[in-house]
Amino acid sequence: DAGITQSPRHKVTETGTPVTLRCHQTENHRYMYWYRQDPGHGLRLIHYSYGVKDTDKGEVSDGYSVSRSKTEDFLLTLESATSSQTSVYFCAISDLRGTGAGYTFGSGTRLTVV
Amino acid sequence: TQLLEQSPQFLSIQEGENLTVYCNSSSVFSSLQWYRQEPGEGPVLLVTVVTGGEVKKLKRLTFQFGDARKDSSLHITAAQPGDTGLYLCAGVGRNYGQNFVFGPGTRLSVLP
Repeated sequence: DAGITQSPRHKVTETGTPVTLRCHQTENHRYMYWYRQDPGHGLRLIHYSYGVKDTDKGEVSDGYSVSRSKTEDFLLTLESATSSQTSVYFCAISDLRGTGAGYTFGSGTRLTVV
Repeated sequence: TQLLEQSPQFLSIQEGENLTVYCNSSSVFSSLQWYRQEPGEGPVLLVTVVTGGEVKKLKRLTFQFGDARKDSSLHITAAQPGDTGLYLCAGVGRNYGQNFVFGPGTRLSVLP
């Protein structure tokens, strides 16, 4: 009974098409995050949310947008997918921020842009 | 440029051996975490350290936070194949904002 689920788990899309990834949580945590993971770079923050309709950019936000209309759902959209956005995308949740935070991650979405 | 460096990048050892992996930064952390990630899954939090010099033990895993809070180590005693995975450190502090920044990880393989 995972408290956080990501969908889809795998997706192949063509360059220039829009793509939306979904993160759903059942923990009622306030904070939600989208990361991408690439070899040699570790996890890099794309966007995060600190409440419904409250979002902010991370270090690699160009080409991505997010929305959070409900506490439990955080959507990541690639407006026009590019090959450089081929990556594994992870959603994370936490009930605190800063020093006290402990992230719970989803199982990831492997996105391939061809 | 990585804010957090981890070493070694890769480590392959035999079952029963001991090992240490490292996480370093030029900045001070207010808190540092270690995660383990298995193939096809997201990272799982192992430990959080917040006090300089702090040592925490989790079964065969020993985590140490440097006195200056700029570095950390993870020591595994008598490694087992189940320890295989990617070990990530993540830090938060004045130079990092309120979101944890992750290192690139150490990929550990424990051979039976």
